[in-house]
Amino acid sequence: GAGVSQSPSNKVTEKGKDVELRCDPISGHTALYWYRQRLGQGLEFLIYFQGNSAPDKSGLPSDRFSAERTGESVSTLTIQRTQQEDSAVYLCASSYMASEAFFGQGTRLTVV
Amino acid sequence: AQSVTQLDSQVPVFEEAPVELRCNYSSSVSVYLFWYVQYPNQGLQLLLKYLSGSTLVKGINGFEAEFNKSQTSFHLRKPSVHISDTAEYFCAVSVPRGGRRALTFGSGTRLQVQP
Repeated sequence: GAGVSQSPSNKVTEKGKDVELRCDPISGHTALYWYRQRLGQGLEFLIYFQGNSAPDKSGLPSDRFSAERTGESVSTLTIQRTQQEDSAVYLCASSYMASEAFFGQGTRLTVV
Repeated sequence: AQSVTQLDSQVPVFEEAPVELRCNYSSSVSVYLFWYVQYPNQGLQLLLKYLSGSTLVKGINGFEAEFNKSQTSFHLRKPSVHISDTAEYFCAVSVPRGGRRALTFGSGTRLQVQP
């Protein structure tokens, strides 16, 4: 595709439900990142995939968060038993190796 | 591991005045450096990047940045700002050779351009 695509663009969920966020990176990009951005805040690193290497999961805030990536394609970020504190914009980015990252428009998650 | 420090969380400035947004990084190896901009309610957009070569890098919208290896800095500058430059600016660093976490962001600087 022409850019990084994220879906859904908006998600409202009830506290305690599970949600799955999807990211389609730019074709050929070996690296994929997930970040969280709370309202008015900076980017909080969550997880990083690079090719077939083991992902860097050091930013995941709790075991309720997990992410997968199939090869160098689609990634899904799953949040189990959502809490109100999970409300944020979840941003996905992809890059070729360590060059500039291209960001999607994000998924705005609201937990009510 | 690399890290990025943006010293100013907010920078208010009058329209047509010059501005400098500061960024310092820490890394034991060579790095690539980036500035991203996030306009209100929008995603992140690349402003400029330093990979190698000339230490003065020009980007979009009249912005430029200078890589200073001895001071480990990559400050962003614009000689005359516009109201439309009001946004959040993020400095980022990546490690070109197989870093475990290739792209690290600073905490951001909110540029507020006043008429």
